[in-house]
Amino acid sequence: KAGVTQTPRYLIKTRGQQVTLSCSPISGHRSVSWYQQTPGQGLQFLFEYFSETQRNKGNFPGRFSGRQFSNSRSEMNVSTLELGDSALYLCASRIADRAYNVEQFFGPGTRLTVL
Amino acid sequence: AQSVTQLDSHVSVSEGTPVLLRCNYSSSYSPSLFWYVQHPNKGLQLLLKYTSAATLVKGINGFEAEFKKSETSFHLTKPSAHMSDAAEYFCVLSFGNEKLTFGTGTRLTIIP
Repeated sequence: KAGVTQTPRYLIKTRGQQVTLSCSPISGHRSVSWYQQTPGQGLQFLFEYFSETQRNKGNFPGRFSGRQFSNSRSEMNVSTLELGDSALYLCASRIADRAYNVEQFFGPGTRLTVL
Repeated sequence: AQSVTQLDSHVSVSEGTPVLLRCNYSSSYSPSLFWYVQHPNKGLQLLLKYTSAATLVKGINGFEAEFKKSETSFHLTKPSAHMSDAAEYFCVLSFGNEKLTFGTGTRLTIIP
């Protein structure tokens, strides 16, 4: 079974621009979560989508948004980029069919650099 | 509120010696607990998980962890360290379908 894939792997943008990151979950997984990883703040939860609906949301400004498609693929968008948005963005998927089936499988991440 | 504390930000051990990475948690309910490993410039890989079954959990690559409710701990161990174990390790907590709560990570260095 193919793992979680994220595209692109690396991205360089300038302040004020917007960016869209893509995540394809493991086949059969209906939940997709997004995380931001920075040296200063560590790993922080952005949001989770399940069956095209946002189910959980972290403490990030409205510039960070996401969506999920009917095939469970997800996109994350960041508008009006700031220098502090430079980070590794990780996507994770899980089956989400049972409350105990909670382990998440992570993709390799997208490294975003904002100049 | 749920939280996870990794007691050591950096651990160094010699190759062939035991590894101990410490994790304490705080949760109002019985949580699910995980250990993930992250090698440089890579995503996170699940090492093992505890979900209220056996308290001693065996994972991949010879790692294991013991859930101790009385001590609110979930320490990760390995009998003999290998050079390929050098990485960042995260203790992670979850309850039900809630989001994952990550510890701050422990960087493991293996001395040849």
